Amino acid sequence: SSELTQDPAVSVALGQTVRITCQGDSLRSYYASWYQQKPGQAPVLVIYGKNNRPSGIPDRFSGSSSGNTASLTITGAQAEDEADYYCNSRDSSGNPSFGGGTKLTVL
Amino acid sequence: QVQLQESGPGLVKPSQTLSLTCTVSGGSISSGSYYWSWIRQPAGKGLEWIGRIYTSGSTNYNPSLKSRVTISVDTSKNQFSLKLSSVTAADTAVYYCARETMVRGENWFDPWGQGTLVTVSS
Repeated sequence: SSELTQDPAVSVALGQTVRITCQGDSLRSYYASWYQQKPGQAPVLVIYGKNNRPSGIPDRFSGSSSGNTASLTITGAQAEDEADYYCNSRDSSGNPSFGGGTKLTVL
Repeated sequence: QVQLQESGPGLVKPSQTLSLTCTVSGGSISSGSYYWSWIRQPAGKGLEWIGRIYTSGSTNYNPSLKSRVTISVDTSKNQFSLKLSSVTAADTAVYYCARETMVRGENWFDPWGQGTLVTVSS
C-alpha cells in the first residue's frame, strides 16, 4: 500500500476551483510533485518543488503544502483537465513513492 | 528536448524474465545529475516505482521487487534496461521509463516514455 494517501475521486464544475490533496509523513520534509494522466497516455508532470510548473503547463495549476498534506489546485477547471492525478514524494526509506491517484471529473 | 522510448517483448511467459530497454534521445544519459527510473502501472491501477539507476551506475530498487529486479545502463548506446525475473500474471502492466531529477531532496519525474504493455501469459 502507498505511504501517500489521495482521495480516489473528486469532481468540479466547469470553471470552478478544485483542490486535490495528498497526505503522508514524508510531506512534512519534502514537497510533492504532481502528475496528470489521461486515458491511454503517459503521466505528465504538472507541478514540482515548492510550486513550479514545467513549460507548457497552464498557470491555473498550482501547488501548496502544509504539515503532512500537499495540495494541487486547479483554478478555473477546464474540460481538458479531466484526468487522473498522482502525487509523488518519498517513502520512509527515501525511495520514490506515488499516491494512489485521484480521478478528477469536470462537470 | 530529451525523449525516452521503451522497447521489448509485449508477451512474456510465467516464470521467465521480463526484459525492457529505454532509449534516451535528445541528450546524453551520462550528462547531468539524473536518475533513470522504471515505473509500472497495472490496468486500472496506480503507479508503482520499480527502481532507478544513477549516472554513476548505482541503483535503488523497490523493496517489494528487489529480489527480482536488475536495472543497468549502457552509456555507449544511451540506454538503460530493466530485467524482472520469475514473472507472474501480477507483473502484467504498462511499463514506463522516466528521468528523475533530484534537487536538495526534492524529486520529480520528467520526461516519461510513452509506456509499453507487457502481458505475462502462457
